[in-house]
Amino acid sequence: DAGITQSPRHKVTETGTPVTLRCHQTENHRYMYWYRQDPGHGLRLIHYSYGVKDTDKGEVSDGYSVSRSKTEDFLLTLESATSSQTSVYFCAIGTFPLTNEQFFGPGTRLTVL
Amino acid sequence: DQQVKQNSPSLSVQEGRISILNCDYTNSMFDYFLWYKKYPAEGPTFLISISSIKDKNEDGRFTVFLNKSAKHLSLHIVPSQPGDSAVYFCAASLNTDKLIFGTGTRLQVFP
Repeated sequence: DAGITQSPRHKVTETGTPVTLRCHQTENHRYMYWYRQDPGHGLRLIHYSYGVKDTDKGEVSDGYSVSRSKTEDFLLTLESATSSQTSVYFCAIGTFPLTNEQFFGPGTRLTVL
Repeated sequence: DQQVKQNSPSLSVQEGRISILNCDYTNSMFDYFLWYKKYPAEGPTFLISISSIKDKNEDGRFTVFLNKSAKHLSLHIVPSQPGDSAVYFCAASLNTDKLIFGTGTRLQVFP
């Protein structure tokens, strides 16, 4: 299995509070991604990174920010959580341009009350 | 607008039979396709892929077929086993660093 961990694995928070999710890889891959999974929507890209300090927006980036200060860590921040951000969040690492495959972490279940 | 579509949210198949999961796409420029399998409370795991220059790729019990003229992708699992019960996502790429995923199909294999 690809060395990807996510923390926390579960979190319950209240509307309006800031939340940071962490993704850590041991594979030294350049590309990292944050997705959310919701019923009826599959996996949707929030933000991604193509190197240290190099990030870009995905399909559903509103309300989220990211940071990547080291190759191994990719942080996703909800500045002020809303109930619509209740979801399961997955981090992935990519092997592009070698292949198009991405490898996923175990996920974080976030509930915003 | 959903560029990658999995129109069947669920599929139920008897053990030993063939499972066929379907995926349609709208962008003819997609050049690489992947299937992922996801168990509850786990992250998706890569299953099999195919380049647009091929029409078939096989790996053990799993075969992916690509019909470019119909913009249609299918995953065949034969024979199906109870451990294959999971949600299956198809994904497509434009030879970029990003993937576009379908909404998933839940496969249940019963004895």
